[in-house]
Amino acid sequence: DTGVSQDPRHKITKRGQNVTFRCDPISEHNRLYWYRQTLGQGPEFLTYFQNEAQLEKSRLLSDRFSAERPKGSFSTLEIQRTEQGDSAMYLCASSQGRHYNEKLFFGSGTQLSVL
Amino acid sequence: TQLLEQSPQFLSIQEGENLTVYCNSSSVFSSLQWYRQEPGEGPVLLVTVVTGGEVKKLKRLTFQFGDARKDSSLHITAAQPGDTGLYLCAGFAGGTSYGKLTFGQGTILTVHP
Repeated sequence: DTGVSQDPRHKITKRGQNVTFRCDPISEHNRLYWYRQTLGQGPEFLTYFQNEAQLEKSRLLSDRFSAERPKGSFSTLEIQRTEQGDSAMYLCASSQGRHYNEKLFFGSGTQLSVL
Repeated sequence: TQLLEQSPQFLSIQEGENLTVYCNSSSVFSSLQWYRQEPGEGPVLLVTVVTGGEVKKLKRLTFQFGDARKDSSLHITAAQPGDTGLYLCAGFAGGTSYGKLTFGQGTILTVHP
């Protein structure tokens, strides 16, 4: 169990550029989540997958955001035409997917700064 | 949309003091979790409470789930500098939001030696 891995840890980009983040969940975890967190605030739900199926998307996830989990393993989150308001920590979490209230294991996040 | 309100937002205390953090909602949650987060890291689960009225203890931390499953509290006895961090409550709504975890805005706790 190597934990949830996120890459990169930090990303600085210019407004208007596209960025892509990767998340590798704990192996055999069926459920994968993406959250966004700003400084001193709680994480805000973006989307989650059960295996490769994207089951729910938040209204926070505008048309510029897209997430995939093509083979039910790793996931990518892409932000197109980044805006300064996208600056935040993007957290990925995974869980076994057997119970609705089970423990989520979080990665260390990707800190995005849009200049 | 189900919201969780945490209070206080900031808490600065001396080592050895007791404190309580509250998590309230107007909605019923099927279960609530408490997480602790260090700067630059992801949240780490402390406890899950499922049954209304449930009380769980984790060393100096006591967690309670309200009878109506709309609120929860975290009580820390004799706080230590190592308790410093961001404390987050989070709830599973169940139903059509099966598996989705909603977080409160967090309580930043600073314990001074």
